[in-house]
Order: sequence, then C-alpha cells, then structure tokens
Amino acid sequence: NAGVTQTPKFQVLKTGQSMTLQCAQDMNHNSMYWYRQDPGMGLRLIYYSASEGTTDKGEVPNGYNVSRLNKREFSLRLESAAPSQTSVYFCASISGTELNSPLHFGNGTRLTVT
Amino acid sequence: QQQVKQSPQSLIVQKGGISIINCAYENTAFDYFPWYQQFPGKGPALLIAIRPDVSEKKEGRFTISFNKSAKQFSLHIMDSQPGDSATYFCAASSVRDSGYSTLTFGKGTMLLVSP
Repeated sequence: NAGVTQTPKFQVLKTGQSMTLQCAQDMNHNSMYWYRQDPGMGLRLIYYSASEGTTDKGEVPNGYNVSRLNKREFSLRLESAAPSQTSVYFCASISGTELNSPLHFGNGTRLTVT
Repeated sequence: QQQVKQSPQSLIVQKGGISIINCAYENTAFDYFPWYQQFPGKGPALLIAIRPDVSEKKEGRFTISFNKSAKQFSLHIMDSQPGDSATYFCAASSVRDSGYSTLTFGKGTMLLVSP
C-alpha cells in the first residue's frame, strides 16, 4: 500500500501565483488533515476534513482553501502565494475522528515562494 | 498561544545513553498524548502514546512518563542508538467545537546520537 501520497514533492512559486497541493490516501480513512512545518515552529494545523463533504479551519487557515474531493483525496490551494507560505506541507489521515490511533503522514511538499 | 511546550530544542546524546525530552501543557481538556518521530525528508510517524489515566507506558527502549497534576509528560529513550537520531514531536489531542479531535504539536526536538 502507498499510504498517503502527496504531489508535488517540490515546488517554487513566485509571489502572487496560485497552486494546488494534492493528497490522496488508499487506506479508506475518514479524516484528513493539512499541516505546515516550519523550523522551530513544529507542525501547525491548516485545515482538516473529518469526513467526506466536511472541512474545518485549523490554527493557521488564512491564505489557504481546501477541497475534500472524495473520500480518498484532500487538496490544499494557495490562491495568491506569499513568501510567508514558504514551508513544508504535510497531509495526514486517520481512520476515525478520535485521535487514539496513528495519524498517517505523507512525505511532504516542500514549497518555496520567492 | 502555544498550547504544548517542548524542550529542549536540540539534544546530543552519546550512544548507549538516555535521551529525555519534556513537554508541558495547560489545557486540561487534552485527553491523548502521542509522540511522533520524524526522519529527514519523511513525514512524522507515531512512536508511542499515552492516555492521562496512566502514569507510564513502555514500548521497548521508549517510555512515556506522565504527570497529570503537573501537566507534564516526557519521552525517555534508553540505550540511545545512532538510528534514533531524528526529530521528535510531542502532541496532545482535544475535541474542537466541531466535535472532532485534532492534534496540537510541540515545536520539536532534534536528537543526535553520537556513535
């Protein structure tokens, strides 16, 4: 099984450009999450989707939009990229809504905004 | 406002030594405390987790100690090995207004185990 797959692995954008980060999981998980990781800041939750058809804001949602396309896929969109959005983005999934089982992470998308 | 405070930021331990990473929290609604391990270029992976009704949990060389009254928990890595060199994140789970749980992570500790 592939687990959680993120594309692309690397991306460079100019300020103001838009892009969509893709995430797909093949574990039939209900809940999916987008985190960003910055040096010295840990992992911060951007958006999450507890189930197909629902999305909610996390700690740092400004500048981002998400789409839960179906049970497998959860995308993150930057409409107008800013240098402050330079980060490593991780998608994760879990089978239920209770976090007492492992959160499965992808290997990340490293985004640079110049 | 940081809800889970993790220390130290970095740690160097000799092979065979004990690595200790500490976390503290303020929100008494947290009800699940996992530790994640992350190697360079990879996503974090669950290492070990504990619930607040237990004071200690051990899995192999890894032990979580939990002090509910002090609102602190720590990860101990016994007989540390070079392969343990990674970034470690503590986390805490709580139920949001939406009714669903999310994890709040500490800022991470970079552990280097010297040969």
